[in-house]
Amino acid sequence: QSALTQPASVSASPGQSITIFCSGTSGDIGTYDLVSWYQLHPGQGPKLIIFEVTKRPSGVSDRFSGAKSGNTASLTISGLQAADEAEYVCCSYAGRSTRIFGGGTKVTVL
Amino acid sequence: QVRLQQWGAGLLKPSETLSLTCAVHGGSFSGYYWSWLRQPPGKALEWIGEVNDGGKTHYNPSLKSSFTISADTSKNQFSLKLTSVTAADTSVYYCARTPYGIAAFDSWGPGTLVTVSS
Repeated sequence: QSALTQPASVSASPGQSITIFCSGTSGDIGTYDLVSWYQLHPGQGPKLIIFEVTKRPSGVSDRFSGAKSGNTASLTISGLQAADEAEYVCCSYAGRSTRIFGGGTKVTVL
Repeated sequence: QVRLQQWGAGLLKPSETLSLTCAVHGGSFSGYYWSWLRQPPGKALEWIGEVNDGGKTHYNPSLKSSFTISADTSKNQFSLKLTSVTAADTSVYYCARTPYGIAAFDSWGPGTLVTVSS
């Protein structure tokens, strides 16, 4: 399977909202409502922020929200804060227990 | 709060065997799948495979079959072995936990950089 497609970078000012799109195929995002998103900071393990397309784990801010349409998933961060500056990676179930990831999007808070 | 601690050799020569272990602290070993993933430099994360407390394994069919994942429930640990490594196996390797049914990784180890170089 090929990796999911994400933009390399997104930037915005504090307080603004951004949306990161993650493009897949009918064999992954298009078929399964099992999309998850992770926040990565250098030197640390990834942090789960969205699972099953729209659900947030306990303790994750409601400024993070997920959605899906067709073969594309999205992550929206509202009220952008300096602490949100990180890399964001999408992941989808792709059948036969396999998961595939996007290449990651670097979010810069201006 | 579960914590994953991982360790293993960080520098290997081609043809050697990669061996990593992940210990689960502060949580149950049962009721989850335990995965290994890796991220080569400049590339996307790759899911390598998973094991549960019963020893059932799944592997990524897109990767070579030299990976072996096993669990030691008496120690709340699971391990990854890869034989005959090459430079292409240079990556940061992560261990992670998946609750049954959600296909997402809700807890991760800090990562181990493994470099393969002669």
